[in-house]
Order: sequence, then C-alpha cells, then structure tokens
Amino acid sequence: EDQVTQSPEALRLQEGESSSLNCSYTVSGLRGLFWYRQDPGKGPEFLFTLYSAGEEKEKERLKATLTKKESFLHITAPKPEDSATYLCAVTGPYAGNNRKLIWGLGTSLAVNP
Amino acid sequence: GAVVSQHPSWVICKSGTSVKIECRSLDFQATTMFWYRQFPKQSLMLMATSNEGSKATYEQGVEKDKFLINHASLTLSTLTVTSAHPEDSSFYICSAAHGSADTQYFGPGTRLTVL
Repeated sequence: EDQVTQSPEALRLQEGESSSLNCSYTVSGLRGLFWYRQDPGKGPEFLFTLYSAGEEKEKERLKATLTKKESFLHITAPKPEDSATYLCAVTGPYAGNNRKLIWGLGTSLAVNP
Repeated sequence: GAVVSQHPSWVICKSGTSVKIECRSLDFQATTMFWYRQFPKQSLMLMATSNEGSKATYEQGVEKDKFLINHASLTLSTLTVTSAHPEDSSFYICSAAHGSADTQYFGPGTRLTVL
C-alpha cells in the first residue's frame, strides 16, 4: 500500500538551531515528491517538487533532498517565522489525469525566539 | 506566480441551505482542479478531481449529489455544498495544476460553519 510517514510529529527549536524533518515513502514508482508549508487556518504553500533520487532544491533557509526511500527537509538557522506545519506528499505512476497526492500527517515546527 | 484564490474565506449558513465556494487560478490556466476538506489536526482529504469541461471524479465515500463541482473554465472551479448540515462544517481547500504538471498550488481555504 502506498504510504507516506513524516517524523517527528512535532519539533520545537530555538532560533538559529538547525534541524531536519523526515518524510519516508512507500510507493510503487515515485513520480514526484512534494513539500508544502501550512500555517494555521491557511491552505498549503508550495515549497519544492523533487523527482529523482539525488535531487536537491533550496529556498532561503530550506533545503530538500531525495533518496529512493525518503526525503529530508533541512532547516538552517531557523527563525520564528518558519514555525508552521510542514507537509510531504507523493504521486505514484497513475495514468491519465489522475494525479492524486498521497499525504503524510505533517511535522509541526515551532521556533522559539 | 501560481496564485490560487478562494471566495469566500469563511461562511456561516443555516442547516438546509446551499453554499457555493469559488476557486480561481489567477495567473495560470488550471487544466485540473482539486477539492479537499481538512478537519482540525488532520491531513488533507481529497474530495474530487475536476478537469476543465469534464465531469468531476469523486473519491470513494464523497456524495456527488451533495458536493456539486463545476469546472467551466480554465481559471474557475466551484464547489456547491447542497442542503448543508452541521457535519459538513469544515475547512475546504482547492488546488490547481497546470497542464500535465503534478505540482498542485493551493488556495487559502474556506471555513464553512453550518448552524
């Protein structure tokens, strides 16, 4: 069964304390892995799409990496405004226009000043 | 780029009434739009997928006669919750994808409260 597992469930950091969030996936033929950030009461904000093992993408203090079994979202020197829930999702080799995302439950990140 | 809007951002209605939520892609053509609902502390649950000009594909367990979806243009999709009941109260979020791309861009969400 296709599945996405995120860890930890919650993470509390001090401002400037770097860390990583994990997204492990089981899918028959990964087509894409997506990272989103969601603030309370808002829709998810797109961060990254990764397609193949070894791929890396960066945006400000965030860097996403991908292997054949998992993805990491590295947060370097986080600031309080990075506090949010980070969601990971994947798509498998579905045919046609079926591009259903399989979601993890997210990691709730709190960065203390 | 890739901005998706939703209207209204929140709505309160009486039980038995219908509510329409609009989802617009502002700077790209959305070949496919998706509708989700999200309960507190839970992940997003896909309700249906709609392609412009076609009937929506509903996920198992989602009543298509209750949640009417229209995707009449490449920039607009609507979700109508018919005969709403308190159990329909939730956070509804739409997303849009361009062409054959897999990346979905999400709207800000609509908080529906049914009294």
